[in-house]
Amino acid sequence: EAGVAQSPRYKIIEKRQSVAFWCNPISGHATLYWYQQILGQGPKLLIQFQNNGVVDDSQLPKDRFSAERLKGVDSTLKIQPAKLEDSAVYLCASSEGLAGPQETQYFGPGTRLLVL
Amino acid sequence: KNQVEQSPQSLIILEGKNCTLQCNYTVSPFSNLRWYKQDTGRGPVSLTIMTFSENTKSNGRYTATLDADTKQSSLHITASQLSDSASYICVVSGGNNRLAFGKGNQVVVIP
Repeated sequence: EAGVAQSPRYKIIEKRQSVAFWCNPISGHATLYWYQQILGQGPKLLIQFQNNGVVDDSQLPKDRFSAERLKGVDSTLKIQPAKLEDSAVYLCASSEGLAGPQETQYFGPGTRLLVL
Repeated sequence: KNQVEQSPQSLIILEGKNCTLQCNYTVSPFSNLRWYKQDTGRGPVSLTIMTFSENTKSNGRYTATLDADTKQSSLHITASQLSDSASYICVVSGGNNRLAFGKGNQVVVIP
């Protein structure tokens, strides 16, 4: 079974530029998550989708971050404009059903973002 | 204050030795607790999951314990190997249907 795919793996941009990350979850998984993991910290949930609907985006900085999962499969996360403090690893995870945090989440390798 | 506190923040152990990682949480109500292993440059991978009624769970050389009364969990690594070098993250699921992540225990195994 293929795992969660993410691209790019690394990205370096200057502050105020825009950047987009892509995630393809495990086939058939209904729930998709985007996390931000700052160095030395645990992951922080940015947004959770169930199919193509948003379940929780309470910690997403909506003035600069946006995410979509239009067809209920793959997803993109965008930052516009980027700030220095956005430097982090952005992890995508998926889980099979609709039970949310009660289910095992399968994580992708992450996209490491450096904002200069 | 973080709802999940892990200790020690980091440790170095000799290959073949055992170690124990601690996780204290304040999440309430409690649903389940997971330990994840995160290798450098990779996403976290689930090692164990325990619900309220379970007080121990093993996965190979990894053994997790849970005391739901004191809200403490531990992860014991037996006969450590170089491949055990990683960050171990304690994740607690509570009644608000959200996950609370610890900052992780960074383990380095040296030959």
